[in-house]
Amino acid sequence: EDQVTQSPEALRLQEGESSSLNCSYTVSGLRGLFWYRQDPGKGPEFLFTLYSAGEEKEKERLKATLTKKESFLHITAPKPEDSATYLCAVQGLTRGGSEKLVFGKGTKLTVNP
Amino acid sequence: KAGVTQTPRYLIKTRGQQVTLSCSPISGHRSVSWYQQTPGQGLQFLFEYFSETQRNKGNFPGRFSGRQFSNSRSEMNVSTLELGDSALYLCASSLEHRTANTGELFFGEGSRLTVL
Repeated sequence: EDQVTQSPEALRLQEGESSSLNCSYTVSGLRGLFWYRQDPGKGPEFLFTLYSAGEEKEKERLKATLTKKESFLHITAPKPEDSATYLCAVQGLTRGGSEKLVFGKGTKLTVNP
Repeated sequence: KAGVTQTPRYLIKTRGQQVTLSCSPISGHRSVSWYQQTPGQGLQFLFEYFSETQRNKGNFPGRFSGRQFSNSRSEMNVSTLELGDSALYLCASSLEHRTANTGELFFGEGSRLTVL
């Protein structure tokens, strides 16, 4: 069964203090690993897709990386508006195709000014 | 471009009742998925529909069901509600082709169900 574990559960940073969020996964065959951001009272918002080990994606202050067992979301010089819950998800290879994602429980990031 | 629309946004039911939630996907999206989100379990996959056919189903009891219409709009139904069904129910649509899943889901804001 596909599984995703995220750590830490919660992270408090000062504005400008860089850090990383971890996502460990087990999947029978990886089609893709995804990062989403969720603000309170909202649905998750897509950030990145990573397909193979060694791949990296960047968007503003965020950079996602992928190995065969983990993904990291690096946050460089965060701002208060980066405060949100960050969700990691995997999509396994399925016969016939499916958009099913298996999500981790998320890391709640708080950036203090 | 309008996003994914879910109705109702909030509802309160009592144990034993049933509930129907509605989802209108982004225009042109044919895949619609449903997820249950709770503080303890996080986001859990309920089911996915593509072209009116259920393509995948999560590990939920038969009280949870869904369907998709020819215009890609989807509904999910929960019968004989239990206290543990209290959750945020999220619908997501994706622009995908039969041979190329994207994994990029566009979520609605959810329907928050409280069961008393």
